[in-house]
Amino acid sequence: QKEVEQDPGPLSVPEGAIVSLNCTYSNSAFQYFMWYRQYSRKGPELLMYTYSSGNKEDGRFTAQVDKSSKYISLFIRDSQPSDSATYLCAMGDQGGKLIFGQGTELSVKP
Amino acid sequence: GAVVSQHPSWVICKSGTSVKIECRSLDFQATTMFWYRQFPKQSLMLMATSNEGSKATYEQGVEKDKFLINHASLTLSTLTVTSAHPEDSSFYICSARDPLDQETQYFGPGTRLLVL
Repeated sequence: QKEVEQDPGPLSVPEGAIVSLNCTYSNSAFQYFMWYRQYSRKGPELLMYTYSSGNKEDGRFTAQVDKSSKYISLFIRDSQPSDSATYLCAMGDQGGKLIFGQGTELSVKP
Repeated sequence: GAVVSQHPSWVICKSGTSVKIECRSLDFQATTMFWYRQFPKQSLMLMATSNEGSKATYEQGVEKDKFLINHASLTLSTLTVTSAHPEDSSFYICSARDPLDQETQYFGPGTRLLVL
């Protein structure tokens, strides 16, 4: 079993839709949780990171963590074609290493 | 935000040759940098942790004699793929740890390696 599981998609939605991206994990030692966006042939770009269970909002993006279920989500409201990218969840332990999910490929159609 | 650069952005080489990839933190000093490899449609896999002034720490299954890492200064880490083979063709990405926030890494744009 992988430490972090993420549905690779692809996920295709119309412009303006709400997008829900999810990851599950198995390692209870993970202490912080991140979402990265990666455009084709580019390095990942940090979108959000959280430490505790609950929600964190930043503009159109909301990150949600449920430590009891070992489940994290990223919601994108009013999705735009420019949001089309691969979204990677990542989790870190006390040692500072990040373990990434496989990434979900998102396409937002105009 | 902090900027991390990589050079070259892409490289094509013949099988058996060695390739050096540079990772630089442009506006901050990074005592710790990380090297990742990403195959198409797959996630980033951590290869090694590079610490300035000391030996790199390699992840299980990564050959340290094949992937040589040098972190000689606070702004530069290099990854040398020695005796490259076609199966080494991949997207190599480095990151640098934020010196003020140990949990934040800034990623470079990646280097695409194609070994013929």
